[in-house]
Amino acid sequence: LAKTTQPISMDSYEGQEVNITCSHNNIATNDYITWYQQFPSQGPRFIIQGYKTKVTNEVASLFIPADRKSSTLSLPRVSLSDTAVYYCLVGDIYTNAGKSTFGDGTTLTVKP
Amino acid sequence: DVKVTQSSRYLVKRTGEKVFLECVQDMDHENMFWYRQDPGLGLRLIYFSYDVKMKEKGDIPEGYSVSREKKERFSLILESASTNQTSMYLCASSSTDSSGGNEQFFGPGTRLTVL
Repeated sequence: LAKTTQPISMDSYEGQEVNITCSHNNIATNDYITWYQQFPSQGPRFIIQGYKTKVTNEVASLFIPADRKSSTLSLPRVSLSDTAVYYCLVGDIYTNAGKSTFGDGTTLTVKP
Repeated sequence: DVKVTQSSRYLVKRTGEKVFLECVQDMDHENMFWYRQDPGLGLRLIYFSYDVKMKEKGDIPEGYSVSREKKERFSLILESASTNQTSMYLCASSSTDSSGGNEQFFGPGTRLTVL
């Protein structure tokens, strides 16, 4: 499984756009990139998934360059409730039950 | 909405006891997972299952076993609990369908303390 590297922590202020970058230099051809969010005392929650270029949903965007060795999760106009740990996962979603490895995550703190 | 439930939110056991953690999902998902989460170590995969009676080791299976007799239920078993198994245990399920995507849905977690 491809190993991922993320910043340990980030700070932001309400209303700002936040970009969290994940490095995955040994990503394989069949691997997808998935991001999860986790609040204290809860299980992680799926945010977004992509293979290449750009994916956007109602809560976030995911930017993946052509070489796919990194990806950036973009959260527009964050609020205090976006304070959480964000995990980047890389793995083949069609084999081995789509298992992936959760890294250490990035703790995002949004300040008023 | 997908619902993944775990039998207990908090559990206290003694060293050497046999411990059962139960997980049930209601969305007919093929895949189920057990993780443990410890401060500074993120989530680590213990075991997963892609079908009834099928199981695969994750990254840290030592000291654990699992059982999946029915599609909706995945049990984690600590044969002889030890203090280093004190942790938050999270269950998840997912479905890999033809349209792609394997979003994992997580339960609320069980905080196990082994004394």
